[in-house]
Amino acid sequence: GAVVSQHPSRVICKSGTSVKIECRSLDFQATTMFWYRQFPKQSLMLMATSNEGSKATYEQGVEKDKFLINHASLTLSTLTVTSAHPEDSSFYICSARSGPTDTQYFGPGTRLTVL
Amino acid sequence: QKEVEQNSGPLSVPEGAIASLNCTYSDRGSQSFFWYRQYSGKSPELIMSIYSNGDKEDGRFTAQLNKASQYVSLLIRDSQPSDSATYLCAVRKGNNRLAFGKGNQVVVIP
Repeated sequence: GAVVSQHPSRVICKSGTSVKIECRSLDFQATTMFWYRQFPKQSLMLMATSNEGSKATYEQGVEKDKFLINHASLTLSTLTVTSAHPEDSSFYICSARSGPTDTQYFGPGTRLTVL
Repeated sequence: QKEVEQNSGPLSVPEGAIASLNCTYSDRGSQSFFWYRQYSGKSPELIMSIYSNGDKEDGRFTAQLNKASQYVSLLIRDSQPSDSATYLCAVRKGNNRLAFGKGNQVVVIP
């Protein structure tokens, strides 16, 4: 149980384009989803918290207009990186939390490379 | 002061030995603590959660929590080459967010 998927697993795009990453909880309803970013040899940095049906809460320093988050259902959240630039190249990981527990289950991650 | 600190450099242990990892946290009010394992190029996977002072054992893993001293540790007994990974300590913050340490790399030498 507690499986979280992400799609795509890897994406390469040109500078200036937008990229959408999907995060799905496959066998449970996720009241809250989280989006993280991880640069090489660094730890996970929380970008935003996403609650179903409401606006995402962004961490300090994360541009909400650049990283658009939509949590339209209890099993799906999307992160759109708008007008991507090479400095946005990173490993993006989502996690999902089920209501009564505070355990977060992580998706497999999406490696974004912006040329 | 960082929310979660893991200061040790890479840890090399012989196969079969015990690997010991430490983590300190800054918020004395924290209640939930987690250890995640992350293989290179992969996302983290939960190994242990601990909420009460003392030890919690799960197979070859033991988590230890001391809230008075604000530290959490992880022991890996009978270390195997498959245990070679980066281990991340995480502490739950408000609104169920997690703060992660930078991780400790463990290398198990056959």
